[in-house]
Amino acid sequence: DVKVTQSSRYLVKRTGEKVFLECVQDMDHENMFWYRQDPGLGLRLIYFSYDVKMKEKGDIPEGYSVSREKKERFSLILESASTNQTSMYLCASLARGNYEQYFGPGTRLTVT
Amino acid sequence: AQTVTQSQPEMSVQEAETVTLSCTYDTSESNYYLFWYKQPPSRQMILVIRQEAYKQQNATENRFSVNFQKAAKSFSLKISDSQLGDTAMYFCAFSTSYDKVIFGPGTSLSVIP
Repeated sequence: DVKVTQSSRYLVKRTGEKVFLECVQDMDHENMFWYRQDPGLGLRLIYFSYDVKMKEKGDIPEGYSVSREKKERFSLILESASTNQTSMYLCASLARGNYEQYFGPGTRLTVT
Repeated sequence: AQTVTQSQPEMSVQEAETVTLSCTYDTSESNYYLFWYKQPPSRQMILVIRQEAYKQQNATENRFSVNFQKAAKSFSLKISDSQLGDTAMYFCAFSTSYDKVIFGPGTSLSVIP
């Protein structure tokens, strides 16, 4: 059974803190993604990675960075958390054969 | 710009009835994949159904089927014999490459007992 896991389901951080969100997949997928999900806006792509140490900006990369040191792990970093980064964060990996994305359970981040 | 529109933010259906969720998209590409994803309350997003644009036959998966109109750029999802477990947010999406999937804003579906 395919699995994408995220390090936390719920996270509360203070403004200005550095925040790490981790995602791990066990399907040997090359492509991994970080999305932000907000009501009425759907999923917006923050960053994606198509290989180890490779990354590309998505639609809303400002205030975020990523790291992919190993194929199975893709980390999202909020360098200095702000209240407007309060959101649901979803990680996904993609099967290149059929374009299907597999999602993690999400991390609901609250920045106070 | 590539976009996905879901014009119904919320819908409801009686248990055992049929419901259709609408989706339109905009792309200049000729080859692409279309998807419907389901996100149940507090649970993981999963793929419901997938359609390759070059295939004329509409995809079906058990109680779920699509009506794909390529010229109209329309991709609706029909759920037959609705069940309580179908209550979820449904996202329409399309992809032209491995690098990006464009999602719509979602439709919240409630199945009423």
